[in-house]
Amino acid sequence: DADVTQTPRNRITKTGKRIMLECSQTKGHDRMYWYRQDPGLGLRLIYYSFDVKDINKGEISDGYSVSRQAQAKFSLSLESAIPNQTALYFCATSDFRSGYLHNEQFFGPGTRLTVL
Amino acid sequence: GQQVMQIPQYQHVQEGEDFTTYCNSSTTLSNIQWYKQRPGGHPVFLIQLVKSGEVKKQKRLTFQFGEAKKNSSLHITATQTTDVGTYFCAVFGNEKLTFGTGTRLTIIP
Repeated sequence: DADVTQTPRNRITKTGKRIMLECSQTKGHDRMYWYRQDPGLGLRLIYYSFDVKDINKGEISDGYSVSRQAQAKFSLSLESAIPNQTALYFCATSDFRSGYLHNEQFFGPGTRLTVL
Repeated sequence: GQQVMQIPQYQHVQEGEDFTTYCNSSTTLSNIQWYKQRPGGHPVFLIQLVKSGEVKKQKRLTFQFGEAKKNSSLHITATQTTDVGTYFCAVFGNEKLTFGTGTRLTIIP
């Protein structure tokens, strides 16, 4: 959906390089997420944020950091990329509505990262 | 977070045949969501189930939530080539969504 955009869409880098993946959304959602997808492993949560001042580690946060620069922007950084961080990375957003258990997540188009 | 097992990992069916994917948990789930990811695409939300024994339909897709709220299934009747993709279940717990490993559906024309 154009409402959630990710840049770059593809990136090839070398071991040891610092990489930043960016996510922007125009949906007005407070909650944003970063996932990693590997074949056969599904989507695994790296970090999530419920607002600009609320950042939380997910299942596989080691080797990654994030920054929530504004409600609409959530960046993922790999401080020193390694080959096993080669994967497809997705950003997602969700809204919070009082009284609902949980709401659906809206995903960006993904960034395919290759670390050589 | 809550863990879910999703089976099968792969399913190849002839066009027109039915398809089912299952999601199982050892613990009671508060809700379950289903997503579809087309080849080369991103996951797209399909539906959310919250009630014990709930059944919801979307055209040829039927979603069920078990009576004990420990399992769920997605059934597609008379598959079409547009059904190709990976189907994920996802469960909510501890403020996070945990995804199953997905079932990849391929259609043989």
